Amino acid sequence: AQSVAQPEDQVNVAEGNPLTVKCTYSVSGNPYLFWYVQYPNRGLQFLLKYITGDNLVKGSYGFEAEFNKSQTSFHLKKPSALVSDSALYFCAVRDIAGANNLFFGTGTRLTVIP
Amino acid sequence: NAGVMQNPRHLVRRRGQEARLRCSPMKGHSHVYWYRQLPEEGLKFMVYLQKENIIDESGMPKERFSAEFPKEGPSILRIQQVVRGDSAAYFCASSPVGQGGQPQHFGDGTRLSIL
Repeated sequence: AQSVAQPEDQVNVAEGNPLTVKCTYSVSGNPYLFWYVQYPNRGLQFLLKYITGDNLVKGSYGFEAEFNKSQTSFHLKKPSALVSDSALYFCAVRDIAGANNLFFGTGTRLTVIP
Repeated sequence: NAGVMQNPRHLVRRRGQEARLRCSPMKGHSHVYWYRQLPEEGLKFMVYLQKENIIDESGMPKERFSAEFPKEGPSILRIQQVVRGDSAAYFCASSPVGQGGQPQHFGDGTRLSIL
């Protein structure tokens, strides 16, 4: 079975400070991992993915994420938060050998405080 | 706009009516996925289609829901005899291939409200 956990419903961070949005996953095999961002009344926008290779992946808008196989985590990070980063963030996983659909976490609402 | 196009953006139906949601994938994408999002929840997979084929419908309710992706035209998610519990945002995503690490690209969704 595949699942994703985002333990924090809400993350608040001051503008200019580093941010972390946590994600842990469970798959029976090897994972493909994704981060998406959702702005109000919009669809999900792809940020970055981990497929294989370097554990640190860089994506859009200065975001990056670190794949940690031993901790089954894929936390999203950004060195310096912007007010415009305020949105709902979703982590998703797909088993490489499994179904094609994505399994999503319940989302983390990030608020960047000016 | 070369992205995934969904229409209508908002749809209001009375209980017992039918709802038809349409999705045109990105140009060059032949794989379509439908997801449902309830308020304050993540997306839940419903169905995965390729042109003229349903590949995986394991997330679809057994009754009242159906999906198609014809050779010509958009993919359609159809909900018959809607009930209040069908109120949700329905998102379509597309990808160029089904396997591999290609990300799925999402439309802006259809927000279905049942009166």
